Amino acid sequence: AQSVTQPDARVTVSEGASLQLRCKYSYFGTPYLFWYVQYPRQGLQLLLKYYPGDPVVQGVNGFEAEFSKSNSSFHLRKASVHWSDWAVYFCAVSIKGGRALIFGTGTTVSVSP
Amino acid sequence: GGIITQTPKFLIGQEGQKLTLKCQQNFNHDTMYWYRQDSGKGLRLIYYSITENDLQKGDLSEGYDASREKKSSFSLTVTSAQKNEMAVFLCASRSGLGGRYQDTQYFGPGTRLLVL
Repeated sequence: AQSVTQPDARVTVSEGASLQLRCKYSYFGTPYLFWYVQYPRQGLQLLLKYYPGDPVVQGVNGFEAEFSKSNSSFHLRKASVHWSDWAVYFCAVSIKGGRALIFGTGTTVSVSP
Repeated sequence: GGIITQTPKFLIGQEGQKLTLKCQQNFNHDTMYWYRQDSGKGLRLIYYSITENDLQKGDLSEGYDASREKKSSFSLTVTSAQKNEMAVFLCASRSGLGGRYQDTQYFGPGTRLLVL
């Protein structure tokens, strides 16, 4: 069955430090993958999306993600975290011929000074 | 650009009550979605609609009805609210009738439900 797993429910990182959020997917065929961010009391916003091509995808606000078919992963990275990155991050895979998404359970990122 | 508006922002209901949530988008998008967000469970798809008067069930459709009478609006009804239920309902929209994997879904700010 198609699924997305985000193994870390919560991550705390110091401001200025690097960040990696893990995402593993289960999908038969070629996956189309997304990272969304949810700031407090807001809806989700797209950070970046992957469709077959370059495995490293650049997103907004300095985020990037790397697709690995062999590891079934799509990890999100940022070189230097800012306090404004405090949010919940969701990984998702496209299903139903592109009409819908399956989301992971999300990772909450807290930023310490 | 466009915007998705969800009403109400907060909804407090009683056990067994029928509750309706509304969503409006001015992107002129074809496809609209309703998701339920529970703490620690991510987002789960309730219903989606690829065009006016179309309805497609998601994994969580039991206990809900939906209505897409206009292209710009999509309503969700909780048919019988469950005691102590607490969740956020997110509406989203997307251009295209489907089949374009890279199309982005745009989300509204959510309706927060609490059932007493």
